[in-house]
Amino acid sequence: DARVTQTPRHKVTEMGQEVTMRCQPILGHNTVFWYRQTMMQGLELLAYFRNRAPLDDSGMPKDRFSAEMPDATLATLKIQPSEHRDSAVYFCASGRGTGGNPDTQYFGPGTRLTVL
Amino acid sequence: AQSVTQLGSHVSVSEGALVLLRCNYSSSVPPYLFWYVQYPNQGLQLLLKYTTGATLVKGINGFEAEFKKSETSFHLTKPSAHMSDAAEYFCAVTGAGNNRKLIWGLGTSLAVNP
Repeated sequence: DARVTQTPRHKVTEMGQEVTMRCQPILGHNTVFWYRQTMMQGLELLAYFRNRAPLDDSGMPKDRFSAEMPDATLATLKIQPSEHRDSAVYFCASGRGTGGNPDTQYFGPGTRLTVL
Repeated sequence: AQSVTQLGSHVSVSEGALVLLRCNYSSSVPPYLFWYVQYPNQGLQLLLKYTTGATLVKGINGFEAEFKKSETSFHLTKPSAHMSDAAEYFCAVTGAGNNRKLIWGLGTSLAVNP
């Protein structure tokens, strides 16, 4: 049963510290999405990759957030420095990007980040 | 520009009653529409999607949705609610062009009362 995995599942850190979240997409999927979910804003798209290349990161605060795909099996989302307002659940999702119908996105379990 | 409106952030039904979760969208291109469900402390999972063809789409767990172009709606229904249906439900529409990102609604929390 193929699944998207995310680590860590929970992270508590202090303001100003660096946070790195990792995602392993489903094998064979070539699109990866990073989302942030909060009560106030709902689900926000932060970044979107296809074939490891960033297609859209317009939702990401560029001064402190960065997203990369070092290889096809790993996506990372980094926050440096972290702030209180970054407290949220961060989801990674993967899918198959083809020229046909839109992909179904398969979500990981999320990383719950608390910035003290 | 694409947008999604989910009417009612909280819906409460009795077990066995009809579930109706409303979703309206706006789209400058023929839309592809999705419903996802999120159970507590979990990621989202696909319930069903409309791309082309039959406007009544059946999904998992007995849910279905009907695409109504004239009403720009994609409401989610289930004839008989089960306690296990209690969750957050999200409607989404694809963005225009080659960008496949989804535009998400704010979600509807469904409570099922015994």
